[in-house]
Amino acid sequence: GAVVSQHPSWVICKSGTSVKIECRSLDFQATTMFWYRQFPKQSLMLMATSNEGSKATYEQGVEKDKFLINHASLTLSTLTVTSAHPEDSSFYICSARGGVGSTDTQYFGPGTRLTVL
Amino acid sequence: QKEVEQDPGPLSVPEGAIVSLNCTYSNSAFQYFMWYRQYSRKGPELLMYTYSSGNKEDGRFTAQVDKSSKYISLFIRDSQPSDSATYLCAMSPSGGYQKVTFGTGTKLQVIP
Repeated sequence: GAVVSQHPSWVICKSGTSVKIECRSLDFQATTMFWYRQFPKQSLMLMATSNEGSKATYEQGVEKDKFLINHASLTLSTLTVTSAHPEDSSFYICSARGGVGSTDTQYFGPGTRLTVL
Repeated sequence: QKEVEQDPGPLSVPEGAIVSLNCTYSNSAFQYFMWYRQYSRKGPELLMYTYSSGNKEDGRFTAQVDKSSKYISLFIRDSQPSDSATYLCAMSPSGGYQKVTFGTGTKLQVIP
């Protein structure tokens, strides 16, 4: 149990375009989802926390108008990178809180590699 | 000073060795402690989860938490080449929807 999927797994786009990444909890309901960014050889950096039905909470330094997050249901959250630029190229990973038992932990998706040309 | 410190490695060991991975932290509010394994270009996979101090064993993996020293460890017995990955420690305060803080990860290579 506790499977989280992401789509797409890899996307290449031109500078200035927008890219949408989906995160789904497949076998549990996730009232809270998290979006992380990971640069090569670095740890996960939390971008924002998303609660179902409410606005996302962004970490300091993350532009909310550039990284649009929508958490419309208990199993789906989306991250849209608007007007992407090469410096936005990174590995984006979502996670969902919940799952089996009562453990207060996060289950991660497989990640989406974004390359902006 | 970072809230969570973790040696990035890389750590190379022969197959069958016992591996010790460690993290230190500074925030005494942390109550939940986790270890994740991340293969290259993949999302992290939860390995172990511990609440407060003590030991927890799962197969070849043992997690230890020493809150008095603000030090956590992950031991891997009889290490296998398939254990080669980056291991991330993570921790969060007690309960609720608290932010999880990750270490930078230790890259482990088990040599056949």
